[in-house]
Amino acid sequence: GQQLNQSPQSMFIQEGEDVSMNCTSSSIFNTWLWYKQDPGEGPVLLIALYKAGELTSNGRLTAQFGITRKDSFLNISASIPSDVGIYFCAGLRDNYGQNFVFGPGTRLSVLP
Amino acid sequence: SAVISQKPSRDICQRGTSLTIQCQVDSQVTMMFWYRQQPGQSLTLIATANQGSEATYESGFVIDKFPISRPNLTFSTLTVSNMSPEDSSIYLCSVGDYGYTFGSGTRLTVV
Repeated sequence: GQQLNQSPQSMFIQEGEDVSMNCTSSSIFNTWLWYKQDPGEGPVLLIALYKAGELTSNGRLTAQFGITRKDSFLNISASIPSDVGIYFCAGLRDNYGQNFVFGPGTRLSVLP
Repeated sequence: SAVISQKPSRDICQRGTSLTIQCQVDSQVTMMFWYRQQPGQSLTLIATANQGSEATYESGFVIDKFPISRPNLTFSTLTVSNMSPEDSSIYLCSVGDYGYTFGSGTRLTVV
């Protein structure tokens, strides 16, 4: 089946630093989503991407839909302590279903 | 986006018993999905809950183990049947045209 890879698996950064993480696949996806999950909570949607090459921002977050439709990246600028959590990418698996394949996640830790 | 209420938020259950998880949405939605998140893992789709018809299960998940109801466009239940410790996970419902919104999850521990 279609699988997503996320890198890095985990990262430790200093508060104020910028963060970059990506999601890759051997298969084409038509939609990419980025979620953040805090402990004990469900994932919260950060950014949705619908077209190859699309670059979308949400505050300090910026995400891009790769031109090949096989990858996406998420950048966080000027990190703050509340950015700590697990970031999941998700790809729309087909044009008919409305469910997604989730990546394994990137665990972000922000050091003060 | 829709607001989802999921109950219970957590439970500890004896092996061999069953637990039914409820998902209530504040607006009508076409599709609802149930996911499992095993400890330290990502999310795996269990099934799509279809209103008025049987749920559509993903590979590795069967109706006898995870029966799902969808009586209307705002409500669904997932039952975890004949539980074993391997069923200890977070179970999440998701709604929306493109699965945008998740409930806060049900943390299940089977002892």
